[in-house]
Amino acid sequence: GENVEQHPSTLSVQEGDSAVIKCTYSDSASNYFPWYKQELGKRPQLIIDIRSNVGEKKDQRIAVTLNKTAKHFSLHITETQPEDSAVYFCAASDSGSARQLTFGSGTQLTVLP
Amino acid sequence: DAGVIQSPRHEVTEMGQEVTLRCKPISGHDYLFWYRQTMMRGLELLIYFNNNVPIDDSGMPEDRFSAKMPNASFSTLKIQPSEPRDSAVYFCASRRGQGFYEQYFGPGTRLTVT
Repeated sequence: GENVEQHPSTLSVQEGDSAVIKCTYSDSASNYFPWYKQELGKRPQLIIDIRSNVGEKKDQRIAVTLNKTAKHFSLHITETQPEDSAVYFCAASDSGSARQLTFGSGTQLTVLP
Repeated sequence: DAGVIQSPRHEVTEMGQEVTLRCKPISGHDYLFWYRQTMMRGLELLIYFNNNVPIDDSGMPEDRFSAKMPNASFSTLKIQPSEPRDSAVYFCASRRGQGFYEQYFGPGTRLTVT
């Protein structure tokens, strides 16, 4: 089955700096890669996703890049703000109809004011 | 839309008791997923349903766990008997269709087994 590894497990940045979170996956058949943000005590919520036919996708201060050859993808947050502080999860899904998600272990991002 | 609804939000029970967690997916969604979240193991998929039919329960940890979806608007996850190591946050999520659609998570049920 799919295995997703995520690094780092914790990340602290100064407000206004950029943050990068990296994930690798094992199943070359995976073709959908969402990122979820989970604030303390809340549910995971999708913030951005990318499909395997695209190398990069941006949404305001958030971007995701995908390298299918190397089987890794990354989340980039620019101009970080205190409200970006949360746990971020990457995930990968296979090409099956259910699109089961295998999640990474999460990154606790802290943006220091 | 009210989103995915889960109940109860918090459950405290004693070891050996039966626990039933409930989920109402978003109307029109035909996939329903049950996850368990712990610090040690992260987010784990337990089981998922498509059109009320269980498709893959390989993530269910033991026979003490069972899940049902009697209709399109209701699912249950039951643990009997419960054990302290079952303490976790249990999320239900739903999604529509077979394409690249977002999974929407419910607020979760925090289960504590003493």
